[in-house]
Amino acid sequence: SQTIHQWPATLVQPVGSPLSLECTVEGTSNPNLYWYRQAAGRGLQLLFYSVGIGQISSEVPQNLSASRPQDRQFILSSKKLLLSDSGFYLCAWRELAGDYNEQFFGPGTRLTVL
Amino acid sequence: GQNIDQPTEMTATEGAIVQINCTYQTSGFNGLFWYQQHAGEAPTFLSYNVLDGLEEKGRFSSFLSRSKGYSYLLLKELQMKDSASYLCVVMDSNYQLIWGAGTKLIIKP
Repeated sequence: SQTIHQWPATLVQPVGSPLSLECTVEGTSNPNLYWYRQAAGRGLQLLFYSVGIGQISSEVPQNLSASRPQDRQFILSSKKLLLSDSGFYLCAWRELAGDYNEQFFGPGTRLTVL
Repeated sequence: GQNIDQPTEMTATEGAIVQINCTYQTSGFNGLFWYQQHAGEAPTFLSYNVLDGLEEKGRFSSFLSRSKGYSYLLLKELQMKDSASYLCVVMDSNYQLIWGAGTKLIIKP
């Protein structure tokens, strides 16, 4: 069965510090991978998605970046965090086979920027 | 633009029935999902509709009307553990997911 891991679970960082969040998927190959951010009381905002190694699409301009160095690894980074980067970050993968395209989510990382 | 509308918050009583509505305007349509999200946790899949009509799965049912851009999630025999946010999500013509802000459902004894 497929499993998706994210770490760390919680993170408190000062403004201007760097960020690296990691997501790995097990039990599937060549998945579509996604990074979402969810601000308090808001819907999920798609940040990046990747259809393969080295292929990153950005949905919104921001001070974040993403990389996919391996098939089942997706990393979210920032060189300098802003207060507005606080939120709940979710990694997800999607399987395109079958009747529909359900997304499966990792446990999430709660980031607080102070 | 693309838009998903659902109520911000609803309150219901344990053992009762509640219907959460969702209306959408998107660039094309390739299906509608409902996800459940407990506070501080990741969303989990509940249902998927791509054709008009009602899909029933245990205590939960989901309805879709594509011509009206409308869906609802029906929860029966409510339990305290059903207290959560319910997210309406539409897949557009490019197979991208458009997420609603969610409806926070509060269950009272």
